[in-house]
Amino acid sequence: DGGITQSPKYLFRKEGQNVTLSCEQNLNHDAMYWYRQDPGQGLRLIYYSQIVNDFQKGDIAEGYSVSREKKESFPLTVTSAQKNPTAFYLCASRSTTGTSDTQYFGPGTRLTVL
Amino acid sequence: ELKVEQNPLFLSMQEGKNYTIYCNYSTTSDRLYWYRQDPGKSLESLFVLLSNGAVKQEGRLMASLDTKARLSTLHITAAVHDLSATYFCAVDLLAGRSRLTFGEGTQLTVNP
Repeated sequence: DGGITQSPKYLFRKEGQNVTLSCEQNLNHDAMYWYRQDPGQGLRLIYYSQIVNDFQKGDIAEGYSVSREKKESFPLTVTSAQKNPTAFYLCASRSTTGTSDTQYFGPGTRLTVL
Repeated sequence: ELKVEQNPLFLSMQEGKNYTIYCNYSTTSDRLYWYRQDPGKSLESLFVLLSNGAVKQEGRLMASLDTKARLSTLHITAAVHDLSATYFCAVDLLAGRSRLTFGEGTQLTVNP
């Protein structure tokens, strides 16, 4: 059963804590992405990775960090430097070969800072 | 900086009616995507438009792309309640690298 999984579904964080959001895909996709969505708004790109061991900042990378040690995994760490981290976080992946050009999204993690 | 604007942002319509959602973008791109999002859920891919003049249809939805006008439309024919959702367009800033910039979304409500 191929797809993208994100965990946890809901996450609560105290101010000053770092938290890591998991994103795993078994679609054999090379590219992976992290987006943030605030209520009533579109998605904004945080980080993306086109290949293992390489990643680039998106539009709102400050206060976030990522790693891409395995093709299947692209975890996102929300650090204490992120001033307003409460949001819905979506991970996506895309094949860079073949004709399919769309990004496929995971179910999301809803992060709330207490 | 690429800007993507959708209008309307909110759309309430009756079942059976037709309507069009517009997506304008500010810089040259020949790749545009439409997604659907149900409340509290993730995004579902609807259409991928990869060239000027591209038109794709799925059920009651039809999407088109005019790269010269930097405009895409999502046309809804004979709306039904199940189409109620938020619809996003997204433009690829770096062609082939799929670095997407999203519009704000159009929240569609179809009333019986």
